[in-house]
Amino acid sequence: KQEVTQIPAALSVPEGENLVLNCSFTDSAIYNLQWFRQDPGKGLTSLLLIQSSQREQTSGRLNASLDKSSGRSTLYIAASQPGDSATYLCAGGATNKLIFGTGTLLAVQP
Amino acid sequence: DVKVTQSSRYLVKRTGEKVFLECVQDMDHENMFWYRQDPGLGLRLIYFSYDVKMKEKGDIPEGYSVSREKKERFSLILESASTNQTSMYLCASSLQGRAHEQYFGPGTRLTVT
Repeated sequence: KQEVTQIPAALSVPEGENLVLNCSFTDSAIYNLQWFRQDPGKGLTSLLLIQSSQREQTSGRLNASLDKSSGRSTLYIAASQPGDSATYLCAGGATNKLIFGTGTLLAVQP
Repeated sequence: DVKVTQSSRYLVKRTGEKVFLECVQDMDHENMFWYRQDPGLGLRLIYFSYDVKMKEKGDIPEGYSVSREKKERFSLILESASTNQTSMYLCASSLQGRAHEQYFGPGTRLTVT
């Protein structure tokens, strides 16, 4: 059964720092990997989707990579800003259904 | 832009009441999902629908049922609400097939007293 783990559970960085969030999964049969952002008390906002045939996706200051052989995905945030403060979730699946990690709570200090 | 809306942001119900949570998407997506989110447990799938009148149980279907009479609308029903169903409920939709992004609604915070 697919399990998705995110480390660290919480991270605090000063504004302007580049940072990496990690996501590990146990089943290499994963078909896609999706990164989300969640603000407190709100729904999930999709950031990036990487399909199994891809190795990375970029959107603005965000870059996500996928390495199926090692069971890892990373989300790189460049030049972090206080507005990036949120919980970041990764989710992967081999079917229509996604398995979610428990998230990394990011705080960017001004 | 894909838009997924949920009928209520906050809801307070009493134990034993029948509760309806509604979700509507405007992008003609075949797949729709209901999740609940609890601290320390993350998001867990309750039910999934891949077409009108079609449904599939997720990881935690007990105490819940669903209805999908129209493609754009997916309802979650708590037949007899209990305090352990106090949670954040999130609806999502996606195109058919496993390669597509899931898009989420704003969530409904349900409190059962």
